Amino acid sequence: DQQVKQNSPSLSVQEGRISILNCDYTNSMFDYFLWYKKYPAEGPTFLISISSIKDKNEDGRFTVFLNKSAKHLSLHIVPSQPGDSAVYFCAASGGADGLTFGKGTHLIIQP
Amino acid sequence: NAGVMQNPRHLVRRRGQEARLRCSPMKGHSHVYWYRQLPEEGLKFMVYLQKENIIDESGMPKERFSAEFPKEGPSILRIQQVVRGDSAAYFCASSQTPGENTEAFFGQGTRLTVV
Repeated sequence: DQQVKQNSPSLSVQEGRISILNCDYTNSMFDYFLWYKKYPAEGPTFLISISSIKDKNEDGRFTVFLNKSAKHLSLHIVPSQPGDSAVYFCAASGGADGLTFGKGTHLIIQP
Repeated sequence: NAGVMQNPRHLVRRRGQEARLRCSPMKGHSHVYWYRQLPEEGLKFMVYLQKENIIDESGMPKERFSAEFPKEGPSILRIQQVVRGDSAAYFCASSQTPGENTEAFFGQGTRLTVV
């Protein structure tokens, strides 16, 4: 029973365009959401987060949107750059425990 | 200001042997989390520890797996009598405060291969 779902295993976007990565969750107790980026053979690195009291958080080229009623969040990357090619994990937290991760979306930025 | 350090990066064990994975959290961080990533899967939470205490081990298999975070030294994830299904990447993360509104910083992982 997956509580955090990333339904697109991969996504291909042209350089300069917008990348939109989606994530759905089922647990209403989640109140903090994070996106991590992972390159092969490396650990995940934190990208951006959002608390459930907000619906948008922006950091440079990265924006995360949260729709609590739909239990959906998305990560927008504008403009997409070649170095953005990586696996992106959506994660959720409901308190002091560990994070619950989705399976990841492999983003490929094409020149 | 080193990040989360995990060693070894790669570990090969024969079936039945023991595997010991080490994690040194970031300086000033007293909360450590272990995750496992199986092929084609996301990261799965295993255990959350503070110094000398296991806070939540709900993701740990009931047998053969144990974790500790002693007062001095790194956190250790120990897998006894390894089997092929234990082959995975094991990631450690640390944070300064637990949970709310803080991100965990990950190490580079230990890739365990059981042959």
